[in-house]
Amino acid sequence: GGIITQTPKFLIGQEGQKLTLKCQQNFNHDTMYWYRQDSGKGLRLIYYSITENDLQKGDLSEGYDASREKKSSFSLTVTSAQKNEMAVFLCASSMASNTGQLYFGEGSKLTVL
Amino acid sequence: GDSVTQTEGPVTVSESESLIINCTYSATSIAYPNLFWYVRYPGEGLQLLLKVITAGQKGSSRGFEATYNKETTSFHLQKASVQESDSAVYYCALGEGGNTGKLIFGLGTTLQVQP
Repeated sequence: GGIITQTPKFLIGQEGQKLTLKCQQNFNHDTMYWYRQDSGKGLRLIYYSITENDLQKGDLSEGYDASREKKSSFSLTVTSAQKNEMAVFLCASSMASNTGQLYFGEGSKLTVL
Repeated sequence: GDSVTQTEGPVTVSESESLIINCTYSATSIAYPNLFWYVRYPGEGLQLLLKVITAGQKGSSRGFEATYNKETTSFHLQKASVQESDSAVYYCALGEGGNTGKLIFGLGTTLQVQP
């Protein structure tokens, strides 16, 4: 089996700060995803990547940058943290982009003071 | 637009009782949606419970079942006899367009099974 590791698990930032979340997977999966989950809302797709150096915008990409420099890693940057923002960011991967079977990490919780 | 609506939680049932968590979907821009149930157990990451990609078919896993009903646009999750270990958050999801890795999730339903 494999595992998805997200770092850090908890991230506290200041308003306007640039914050980066990292995700590593050892499944050797082609596709990786970043989802955001807010309290009372479902998961929303921010970015995904179907291969190394590929980036595709999801429904919630504004305010974020992403980077897929290696097949095994996918990072997400909040370009300017919003005051009182609080959300959980979930990284996921899948074997190919057409299976719907995603493997998720445990999440990174962001709090902006 | 495309969306998923599911039973609002928390849902509390006693061990060995039956369970149904409702899920309905709207897939206005997807000709052949794929449907999924994901589960998040305490302390673990979200994981796939079952999926069905063809209307009329039933998926099953760990004693749970769900039937893809295109007529009623539903994909309800059922289990005849729940166990305490089934306590978790359950998410219904819809596969969007040609890339079903892009999933549309419901809000999640927290299930609490009492011993």
